[in-house]
Amino acid sequence: SQKIEQNSEALNIQEGKTATLTCNYTNYSPAYLQWYRQDPGRGPVFLLLIRENEKEKRKERLKVTFDTTLKQSLFHITASQPADSATYLCALGVTGGGNKLTFGTGTQLKVEL
Amino acid sequence: ETGVTQSPTHLIKTRGQQVTLRCSSQSGHNTVSWYQQALGQGPQFIFQYYREEENGRGNFPPRFSGLQFPNYSSELNVNALELDDSALYLCASSLGFQVQETQYFGPGTRLLVL
Repeated sequence: SQKIEQNSEALNIQEGKTATLTCNYTNYSPAYLQWYRQDPGRGPVFLLLIRENEKEKRKERLKVTFDTTLKQSLFHITASQPADSATYLCALGVTGGGNKLTFGTGTQLKVEL
Repeated sequence: ETGVTQSPTHLIKTRGQQVTLRCSSQSGHNTVSWYQQALGQGPQFIFQYYREEENGRGNFPPRFSGLQFPNYSSELNVNALELDDSALYLCASSLGFQVQETQYFGPGTRLLVL
């Protein structure tokens, strides 16, 4: 069956460190993958999109990698700050599906002082 | 803020009732998608509308239906509510439905079915 798996346990890290979140998928052939941030009581906010033919994308302190052989995406936040604390969701899109998304369950990140 | 608004913010219904949730997209966005997010889960795609026509549907029964209007507003209707319909309902608007079109989510409507 198709699955998108993210760490279900919260990730706690110290301010200034790099946070690395994982998204693994099975039985999908995604054309692209997106990462979103969701704060409590709010809708997801788009962060980055990476296509299947791209290995890495960067935006300010954010970096996403996409390995279609390992069927995995890694999401990095460098120099993390308490304001980065939120739930991070990965989402897949497939060829022919336009921008319709299938989301993972999300990983909660807590950045401590 | 994304410029996408939803109403109401919270709603309590009883099993068997019907509910209508509303979404106001960003001006100029002709595509709206609806998602259901159960507690502790990621959003699940319900359906998408493009220029007032349904443009794809997820694995949801026909009692979930929608409408999109020319004024960039849309509705999600759910008939014969079940307890499992309790969730956060999110709408997302975009300029189009192509891969590169970013989706802008509203804050959601939290529905509780008793």
